[in-house]
Amino acid sequence: DSGVTQTPKHLITATGQRVTLRCSPRSGDLSVYWYQQSLDQGLQFLIHYYNGEERAKGNILERFSAQQFPDLHSELNLSSLELGDSALYFCASSPRTSGGGGELFFGEGSRLTVL
Amino acid sequence: EDQVTQSPEALRLQEGESSSLNCSYTVSGLRGLFWYRQDPGKGPEFLFTLYSAGEEKEKERLKATLTKKESFLHITAPKPEDSATYLCAARPGGSYIPTFGRGTSLIVHP
Repeated sequence: DSGVTQTPKHLITATGQRVTLRCSPRSGDLSVYWYQQSLDQGLQFLIHYYNGEERAKGNILERFSAQQFPDLHSELNLSSLELGDSALYFCASSPRTSGGGGELFFGEGSRLTVL
Repeated sequence: EDQVTQSPEALRLQEGESSSLNCSYTVSGLRGLFWYRQDPGKGPEFLFTLYSAGEEKEKERLKATLTKKESFLHITAPKPEDSATYLCAARPGGSYIPTFGRGTSLIVHP
């Protein structure tokens, strides 16, 4: 158990819909990362937050957005869903206090299926 | 562009048959090379961090080593429970974002 909690574990929805994925980092970790993992793409970095502030963006689509709240939990919002958005979405937290970037501790992931 | 390439993509071993996984990286000013283990349907589990060429880390049957261009994960006398995908990631200088390789899928047969 990494200490990172993600909900929901599984989600099935239809094209055009919107979903929200939630992540609670390990106690004391200020950094939260979101990654997407699909069979043909591997682990792709989406976005990084540190202590409530966005620090870096990867290949995150405009239809996707995220935020980190004062209690440090984070949410990833996916809208206008397409079949190609079906993937595992991972949240990870980092123990580094200077903005993250060290080893990452991953949650169990949220498996999104878009039909 | 920062790149991390892992080989082989898949590896099948007999129990007790030692081998090595390779991770080649091209990043500017490496600030950390990380190894993770991922079981099917689970999140990656952190194994090791290496920072400088010549550094080695060990954990049970696993040993990670680092040179200026690549890292190896040596698996000594593997057991079936070592079966998993092993991911390598490299963090470039000036960035907090590690770049991941595609992983090596390891299957150890009893």
